[in-house]
Amino acid sequence: GAGVSQTPSNKVTEKGKYVELRCDPISGHTALYWYRQSLGQGPEFLIYFQGTGAADDSGLPNDRFFAVRPEGSVSTLKIQRTERGDSAVYLCASSLNGFPNEKLFFGSGTQLSVL
Amino acid sequence: AQTVTQSQPEMSVQEAETVTLSCTYDTSESNYYLFWYKQPPSRQMILVIRQEAYKQQNATENRFSVNFQKAAKSFSLKISDSQLGDTAMYFCAFMKHRGDDKIIFGKGTRLHILP
Repeated sequence: GAGVSQTPSNKVTEKGKYVELRCDPISGHTALYWYRQSLGQGPEFLIYFQGTGAADDSGLPNDRFFAVRPEGSVSTLKIQRTERGDSAVYLCASSLNGFPNEKLFFGSGTQLSVL
Repeated sequence: AQTVTQSQPEMSVQEAETVTLSCTYDTSESNYYLFWYKQPPSRQMILVIRQEAYKQQNATENRFSVNFQKAAKSFSLKISDSQLGDTAMYFCAFMKHRGDDKIIFGKGTRLHILP
């Protein structure tokens, strides 16, 4: 696609529910990143995929959070037993090879609201 | 651990004026990348400018330039001839040159360009 696409744009859920957030990276980009941006803060790293594998998941806050990228393109961030503190904008980004000198392209994020 | 500090939560400037956004960072790394990202209301993070720490020359991109002071660990962004479209959140960010794949963001500065 022309850019990084994230769906849904907004998601409202109730405490305790399960949610899935989807990211479609730019076609051909092997590196994919998830960040979480809480209100009034900068984005915080969650997980980095190189191809199908999670190369670095050190930013996932706890075992309620899980992400997959089974075919090396689309990625899904999964949150179990959502809590009000999970409310944030979840940003996805991709780059061609994951090299530090490459430009990172961000999507417009999913605003998750947990009531 | 690396930290990025933006001491100006909010700034306003008249259209066509010049504005400087401040950023300091802390790291024990000798080589790294520094970035300024713009986040308009659409939430999409857009790379404004990038500086590689081993390059002494300050990066410039059209109306945007940086003042990189490595010894002082300072990385300010100057926007010349500011335009209404420059209104956005601006985030200063840090990334190691190697051995890590996450970008560390500051808390951001909200910039208002006034007509």
